[in-house]
Amino acid sequence: KAGVTQTPRYLIKTRGQQVTLSCSPISGHRSVSWYQQTPGQGLQFLFEYFSETQRNKGNFPGRFSGRQFSNSRSEMNVSTLELGDSALYLCASSLSTTWGLAGGKDFTDTQYFGPGTRLTVL
Amino acid sequence: GENVEQHPSTLSVQEGDSAVIKCTYSDSASNYFPWYKQELGKGPQLIIDIRSNVGEKKDQRIAVTLNKTAKHFSLHITETQPEDSAVYFCAASNGNQAGTALIFGKGTTLSVSS
Repeated sequence: KAGVTQTPRYLIKTRGQQVTLSCSPISGHRSVSWYQQTPGQGLQFLFEYFSETQRNKGNFPGRFSGRQFSNSRSEMNVSTLELGDSALYLCASSLSTTWGLAGGKDFTDTQYFGPGTRLTVL
Repeated sequence: GENVEQHPSTLSVQEGDSAVIKCTYSDSASNYFPWYKQELGKGPQLIIDIRSNVGEKKDQRIAVTLNKTAKHFSLHITETQPEDSAVYFCAASNGNQAGTALIFGKGTTLSVSS
């Protein structure tokens, strides 16, 4: 099975611009999560999508948004870029045994990461 | 919210030695604890995970232990090899109806010298 793919792999933008990153999950996986990785803050959760709906959101400003399509592919968008947005943006997919399908029991599916998109804001 | 602390931040061992990385978490509702290995220029790769109903799990040279009472879990790598050199991250999650966000530790840079 092909792994998680992310495009583009590298991006250079200037402050004030906006950017869209794409993620294709592993075939059959229904959930996509996005993370930001920086040297200072480490790996931080941005948001999670399941069945085209945002299921969970981290503590990031509204400039960060995302969406998921019916084929589970996901995009994230960052508007009005700031220098501090320079980071590696990682996408992770999981099969997603949802809370309901797990019989109402707390359950976290294994998340598999893509190679990331390196965003540099100048 | 959940907070995960990871120690040490750097670890240097000789080939063949064992390496241990420890993490503590704050949210007693956390029930899933994966470990990821990240090599330069790549995304994190899952190496082992453990759920809260299990105290220990082993996969060849890698083992993870979980102490729910103390809220800490550890990664043990035996017979280390140069290719084990990478950054290792622990994470915790309390998967529920609201989603399954992973909260990561800050990472441990492991260097294995031959």
